[in-house]
Amino acid sequence: AQRVTQPEKLLSVFKGAPVELKCNYSYSGSPELFWYVQYSRQRLQLLLRHISRESIKGFTADLNKGETSFHLKKPFAQEEDSAMYYCALSGRSGSRLTFGEGTQLTVNP
Amino acid sequence: NAGVTQTPKFRVLKTGQSMTLLCAQDMNHEYMYWYRQDPGMGLRLIHYSVGEGTTAKGEVPDGYNVSRLKKQNFLLGLESAAPSQTSVYFCASSWPGQGIHEQYFGPGTRLTVT
Repeated sequence: AQRVTQPEKLLSVFKGAPVELKCNYSYSGSPELFWYVQYSRQRLQLLLRHISRESIKGFTADLNKGETSFHLKKPFAQEEDSAMYYCALSGRSGSRLTFGEGTQLTVNP
Repeated sequence: NAGVTQTPKFRVLKTGQSMTLLCAQDMNHEYMYWYRQDPGMGLRLIHYSVGEGTTAKGEVPDGYNVSRLKKQNFLLGLESAAPSQTSVYFCASSWPGQGIHEQYFGPGTRLTVT
């Protein structure tokens, strides 16, 4: 069975502060991990995927297989980063995503 | 391209009523999905389809049925609505190219069952 856990439902930081959104997973094989974001009144959209090793809007995430984690980080948070963030895992078949519970990030001015 | 669209955007039902939610995509995607989003529980997969004429159960299929008669449409039906089905429903689609399934989401349907 595959499972994704986001331990923080709410996270609040000040503008310019570093931010880290935690994601832990359990999966017996080699997973594909993603971060999706949902801004207020907008649809869910892909933020980044671990296989691309990319930085999007200043966010990065590293897959740590030893700790089974895929934490999302940004060194300097901006107010426009305020949103709901979901970590998601795709297993071997690749056709299904398992989402975590989500973390609501608020960046205060 | 409109991407993924959902109809209706809002709906209020009484317990026991039935309804159908329509999802349409114009990206020629093979895979389509229905999720429900509840506070503190994230998105949970209800049903999905890997091609026209095929459907499969997700994590929380009970109380829902689906049909994929046309590649571009994926319908979600509630035969006898219950208050526990009050939720926001999202449809998504993806194309299994390159083995990576980026899913594209619709705007959501907010359903209230009283």
